[in-house]
Amino acid sequence: DQQVKQNSPSLSVQEGRISILNCDYTNSMFDYFLWYKKYPAEGPTFLISISSIKDKNEDGRFTVFLNKSAKHLSLHIVPSQPGDSAVYFCAASSTGANSKLTFGKGITLSVRP
Amino acid sequence: EAGVVQSPRYKIIEKKQPVAFWCNPISGHNTLYWYRQNLGQGPELLIRYENEEAVDDSQLPKDRFSAERLKGVDSTLKIQPAELGDSAVYLCASSSGGGSTDTQYFGPGTRLTVL
Repeated sequence: DQQVKQNSPSLSVQEGRISILNCDYTNSMFDYFLWYKKYPAEGPTFLISISSIKDKNEDGRFTVFLNKSAKHLSLHIVPSQPGDSAVYFCAASSTGANSKLTFGKGITLSVRP
Repeated sequence: EAGVVQSPRYKIIEKKQPVAFWCNPISGHNTLYWYRQNLGQGPELLIRYENEEAVDDSQLPKDRFSAERLKGVDSTLKIQPAELGDSAVYLCASSSGGGSTDTQYFGPGTRLTVL
């Protein structure tokens, strides 16, 4: 049972345009959400996070939006750059001593020059 | 500052053979994680250590998998005997704390192929 779902396996966008990566979750106990970026042959790298007390968090070209009622979050990258081409994982956790990260399957983003 | 170091980067073995992976976390990070990432999937937690104590090993298949972090720094993950289904990337991560908001830093992983 996938508790974190990234239903689109891939996305292709033109350089300079906006990339929107979507993520849905089913566990209502999740209250902290993260995006990780992964290049081939490297480990995932933390990109941005958001707590459930917020609905938006911005860091440079990256913005994460959280819609708790819909159990949906999205990562916006604007403007997209060729170096953004990678696999993006959505992850979620719940507050607690034994909390763990639950990852989605990932979305492969390709930014065309 | 050096990141999480893992070795080997690649390993090919025949089924029923043993295999071991090594991880050196970021200096000062007390929490260490081992994940398994199957092809086309996200990482899945196998075990989490706080210093030398395994505080969450509920997802570790204990019949064939074992892990240790004897001095609370380096860690080793072992599979004995390996099965075809163990082919995956094994990722090690570390964080300064074990809370849900503590950022986990990942190593490059060990890609295991079981023939």
